[in-house]
Amino acid sequence: ETGVTQTPRHLVMGMTNKKSLKCEQHLGHNAMYWYKQSAKKPLELMFVYSLEERVENNSVPSRFSPECPNSSHLFLHLHTLQPEDSALYLCASSPGQTDYEQYFGPGTRLTVT
Amino acid sequence: GESVGLHLPTLSVQEGDNSIINCAYSNSASDYFIWYKQESGKGPQFIIDIRSNMDKRQGQRVTVLLNKTVKHLSLQIAATQPGDSAVYFCAESVTGNQFYFGTGTSLTVIP
Repeated sequence: ETGVTQTPRHLVMGMTNKKSLKCEQHLGHNAMYWYKQSAKKPLELMFVYSLEERVENNSVPSRFSPECPNSSHLFLHLHTLQPEDSALYLCASSPGQTDYEQYFGPGTRLTVT
Repeated sequence: GESVGLHLPTLSVQEGDNSIINCAYSNSASDYFIWYKQESGKGPQFIIDIRSNMDKRQGQRVTVLLNKTVKHLSLQIAATQPGDSAVYFCAESVTGNQFYFGTGTSLTVIP
């Protein structure tokens, strides 16, 4: 256990659905991240939150909408996704935004049909 | 843009042998590097890190070597065990900026 939990672990959704991914960290960290992991590709950073404020948005399509209500919770709201959005979505946290190792959750395996 | 790659996508080693996993990076300004291990069905797990003011760092059964001249990073695992079977990938960053991750090397330990 890394102290970072993600729910659900698996999600299948249609292109017209709306769903949300949840991440919770129990480490007292100040920064949280969403990554996308596709087969045979490097981890792609999607969003970074530091002290509940978004500090990084790497040109992610608007069909992905993050929310960070407090320093322990991070959500990724999904709507009108495309099949190419199918991937493993990983949440991570770190003590600070930069220059720290990141602790990853187990990920949510998302399949868009 | 950043380019972090690994020399081999797969590596098979006999149990008890030493493993060496390599990583090349392209940004000479990168000054912080991390190796992660990702087992099937799990998220990446921190193994060891190294900063650019060091050439070598040792952990428990693992050693990371950094060659800044050729922008090369390696992870050595001593006495490889079946539990070491996983995907290993490196990550680099310039202090104060985001990490860039490699694609990973899949290590299989043969009993």
